[in-house]
Amino acid sequence: GEDVEQSLFLSVREGDSSVINCTYTDSSSTYLYWYKQEPGAGLQLLTYIFSNMDMKQDQRLTVLLNKKDKHLSLRIADTQTGDSAIYFCAESLLREYGNKLVFGAGTILRVKS
Amino acid sequence: EAQVTQNPRYLITVTGKKLTVTCSQNMNHEYMSWYRQDPGLGLRQIYYSMNVEVTDKGDVPEGYKVSRKEKRNFPLILESPSPNQTSLYFCASSLRDGYEQYFGPGTRLTVT
Repeated sequence: GEDVEQSLFLSVREGDSSVINCTYTDSSSTYLYWYKQEPGAGLQLLTYIFSNMDMKQDQRLTVLLNKKDKHLSLRIADTQTGDSAIYFCAESLLREYGNKLVFGAGTILRVKS
Repeated sequence: EAQVTQNPRYLITVTGKKLTVTCSQNMNHEYMSWYRQDPGLGLRQIYYSMNVEVTDKGDVPEGYKVSRKEKRNFPLILESPSPNQTSLYFCASSLRDGYEQYFGPGTRLTVT
């Protein structure tokens, strides 16, 4: 089936690292994405990883992919108050009729100063 | 500035009164899509369009219609809105199917 699950809430202190986890069920995903949604705004693509990669680093962001366990994580180093937002994990599935993006329910990240 | 715009941003309406939410992109993207976002459910796709005059149902199309007469516009039509369509709606576009999607700012719809 097509299911993406995330923990609902994470609270960290400013300067600490944040780790947001995601699990998915469909092993045919081509890309996996992390989107950020700030209050009152649309979704902004943060980073993505191709399904045959294990890790991708982009400045403060590190994405880890464990294909065997169907587990994806996003690590934010030196978390700042501006990182407070909802983070969505999504997988892109190739279907007969085209690509389909399946989203998780989102993780609310709260950063305490 | 490259962007996806939606109008209106907020709308309160009554059951059964037809409404249209407009979506426009200025990036010459072929692919456009509508999602609804509900608490605890993430984003679910309503309809998508691969190109002009090519549209298809997503996961939750019931109660919605779309059209794609021009490349830049992809309006979402609710012929007879019901309270269960109260939600936050997002339009998105991408260069082609499978490419990065750019999202609009969202339209918060309340149907009473």
